[in-house]
Amino acid sequence: ETGVTQSPTHLIKTRGQQVTLRCSSQSGHNTVSWYQQALGQGPQFIFQYYREEENGRGNFPPRFSGLQFPNYSSELNVNALELDDSALYLCASSTGQRETQYFGPGTRLLVL
Amino acid sequence: DQQVKQNSPSLSVQEGRISILNCDYTNSMFDYFLWYKKYPAEGPTFLISISSIKDKNEDGRFTVFLNKSAKHLSLHIVPSQPGDSAVYFCAASAYTQGAQKLVFGQGTRLTINP
Repeated sequence: ETGVTQSPTHLIKTRGQQVTLRCSSQSGHNTVSWYQQALGQGPQFIFQYYREEENGRGNFPPRFSGLQFPNYSSELNVNALELDDSALYLCASSTGQRETQYFGPGTRLLVL
Repeated sequence: DQQVKQNSPSLSVQEGRISILNCDYTNSMFDYFLWYKKYPAEGPTFLISISSIKDKNEDGRFTVFLNKSAKHLSLHIVPSQPGDSAVYFCAASAYTQGAQKLVFGQGTRLTINP
């Protein structure tokens, strides 16, 4: 059974650019959640997707957006990158909206 | 507003002894609590969870205790092994606006000494 995978593993962007991060959910999982983990902090909830719809969002501005595809994979898009967006971005999948979330290895984003 | 707090940034324990990691929360709406372990360059790995209707859950060497009146949970690892050295995050779950949102503490770095 394949776990949650994310791509790319590392990424360097400059301020003002846009970035797309990708996540493939674990087999049998239909719900994907995205988190941002700044250095020395715990992960912070960005949003959750279930059946291709966003159904919950944390305290992140609209320039953070996402998609979920029919195969339950997901993308996180961030527009107008800021220096503070530098972080580890984690994707987690689960078998339902209220089930245990299993995390991927993350994408480390550096904004210069 | 830090709703979930892990007040010990680090903990050092001798191999074979008990490791106790603590976590406090403030939001009474949390109804599910989880512990994750994280190694460098990897994502968090789920360890154990507990529903708010229980006060204890055990899985092998790992036991989680929940004290709802004190809004406190703890993770006990017995006996501690060198492979347990990692950063441990507690997370609390609230189902709001149709989504299960996990709120994490800042993490505790556990070091098991041989």
